[in-house]
Amino acid sequence: DTGVSQDPRHKITKRGQNVTFRCDPISEHNRLYWYRQTLGQGPEFLTYFQNEAQLEKSRLLSDRFSAERPKGSFSTLEIQRTEQGDSAMYLCASSSGWTYYGYTFGSGTRLTVV
Amino acid sequence: SQQGEEDPQALSIQEGENATMNCSYKTSINNLQWYRQNSGRGLVHLILIRSNEREKHSGRLRVTLDTSKKSSSLLITASRAADTASYFCATDARGNKLTFGTGTQLKVEL
Repeated sequence: DTGVSQDPRHKITKRGQNVTFRCDPISEHNRLYWYRQTLGQGPEFLTYFQNEAQLEKSRLLSDRFSAERPKGSFSTLEIQRTEQGDSAMYLCASSSGWTYYGYTFGSGTRLTVV
Repeated sequence: SQQGEEDPQALSIQEGENATMNCSYKTSINNLQWYRQNSGRGLVHLILIRSNEREKHSGRLRVTLDTSKKSSSLLITASRAADTASYFCATDARGNKLTFGTGTQLKVEL
């Protein structure tokens, strides 16, 4: 297992288009998190899953954002009708649920909306 | 929203010197963690300290936690150029998610 994988690494899209990102967590980890990070800021929590259940969503996650984790394995984050303000790094992380071991982050997907 | 802030926002030191960065947070916590982020990359977990611990060491890292002041510090001893990165503290309040601070940008010069 090589860690948390995110695809794509970079995405440039036109305003109004839909985009979808994928995250493959460490296989033994039952928890999966999505964060968003803008330049010069720390990551901001978006949502998290325990297995296939989405247990918490931030108010940052507007109606245009949806996340899924079918079968409790990989996860997708979709943004509909993208806006320039959506430009950011989208980070995925996974953990075993025993938070004393910390999270394992992927390298992120950098989204640029033009 | 950010849980707290790191101080200083930016720090520049010479190789071999020690680097200290501080973190303040707002609510009671279960544990506090420190992460490193190289430019444009994901975050790497460095060290975790539980709310009932006051100090923890890992290699060249030393973390302290003062829950009465809601603050933590990260000390990197004998810094190296490879330590150049952004450092974030993150708090776990209820065991379900981390809330990150604003980060300290550390630059270690040769």
